[in-house]
Amino acid sequence: EIVLTQSPGTLSLSPGERATLSCRASQRVSNNWLAWYQQKPGQTPRLLIYGASSRVTGIPDRFSASGSGTDFTLTISRLEPEDFAVYYCQQYGSSPHTFGQGTKLEIK
Amino acid sequence: QVQLVQSGAEVRKPGASVKVSCEASGHTLTNYYMHWVRQAPGQGLEWMGWMIPNGGATNYAQKFQGRVTMTRDTSISTAYMELSNLRSDDTAVYYCARSPATGIDQWGQGTLVTVSS
Repeated sequence: EIVLTQSPGTLSLSPGERATLSCRASQRVSNNWLAWYQQKPGQTPRLLIYGASSRVTGIPDRFSASGSGTDFTLTISRLEPEDFAVYYCQQYGSSPHTFGQGTKLEIK
Repeated sequence: QVQLVQSGAEVRKPGASVKVSCEASGHTLTNYYMHWVRQAPGQGLEWMGWMIPNGGATNYAQKFQGRVTMTRDTSISTAYMELSNLRSDDTAVYYCARSPATGIDQWGQGTLVTVSS
């Protein structure tokens, strides 16, 4: 089973700042099949990124992602108030399709 | 409009079973992978397993092997997840979710399952 470790656990930033979230896998993620989700309180997760770096249609271009193998990054270039949420990475290259434990992005 | 509509909240005693349904509308159930993911109160997301579109074969996370069964009835576009031998730490919101060959792009609204004596 691939374990995904997200860091930091909590990130405190102000609107307008840049956010960098990390997701590290215990083994290589097959085909770089890694997704990023955003979840706000009381809501279901929303897919932001798939295939490690492909942005879903309709997701603002301030969201970008990169990485391959075992190290992946989600970057939010300039934080908007609506971006403060919990972010999860998930690998879907091998079963089980594990999730990271999440990074909470909070307003400083 | 693409939707996954799940059955309502359930309360069960330890040792019992629960079966959650997930009706798909606006898309063909058999064209997508159907996942089940759960989220305990205040916790993160946990992938339980999936059903592949063609033929309906299933793959379960080892943690749930022997306790979970995922099925579907294509005639009514509904997927099911049954979890048996419930324990208190199975208390969670259970989501059905579909994916094409990418990440999960559509989620049901969630079903709260509470396990309590």
